[in-house]
Amino acid sequence: DSGVTQTPKHLITATGQRVTLRCSPRSGDLSVYWYQQSLDQGLQFLIQYYNGEERAKGNILERFSAQQFPDLHSELNLSSLELGDSALYFCASSTPGLYNEQFFGPGTRLTVL
Amino acid sequence: KNQVEQSPQSLIILEGKNCTLQCNYTVSPFSNLRWYKQDTGRGPVSLTIMTFSENTKSNGRYTATLDADTKQSSLHITASQLSDSASYICVVSAIYSNTGKLIFGQGTTLQVKP
Repeated sequence: DSGVTQTPKHLITATGQRVTLRCSPRSGDLSVYWYQQSLDQGLQFLIQYYNGEERAKGNILERFSAQQFPDLHSELNLSSLELGDSALYFCASSTPGLYNEQFFGPGTRLTVL
Repeated sequence: KNQVEQSPQSLIILEGKNCTLQCNYTVSPFSNLRWYKQDTGRGPVSLTIMTFSENTKSNGRYTATLDADTKQSSLHITASQLSDSASYICVVSAIYSNTGKLIFGQGTTLQVKP
């Protein structure tokens, strides 16, 4: 157990819909990262937040947005969903240090029908 | 362009055998290199992390090596077990202020058969 929690575990929805994925980081971690992993693909970095502020952006679509709240939990919002958005979405958290090690949550499996 | 390439793409070995996975990277400026194990449908779990000055690091039956001059790393698994069946991902961290940006390899899928 990494200490990072994600809800829900599974999500099934239809094209055109909007969903929200939630992540709670490890206690004390200030950074939250979101990743997308499509079937048989590598992890793709989407976005990072640090203490409530956006720190870095990766390959995140304009239809996707995220935020980090004062209690440090984060939400990833996916809108106008397409079939190709079906994937595993992982959240990771870290605290700055020598390794800046990221600890990953169990993921949310999104299926768009 | 910052890239991480892993080989082989997939590997099948018999239980009890050893194996070595390879990782080549072209990330600069280099901060550290880590190996993750990812079971199917689960989040990646860190096995080892090495900085520029570390040549080898072990975690149980897993031993990672790093040659910063040739920009190569390997992950050696000793006496494989069925539970080692997973995807092994090489990840390199570049130094970009405090973003902690990671560059991921595509992973090597290992299957251990009885």
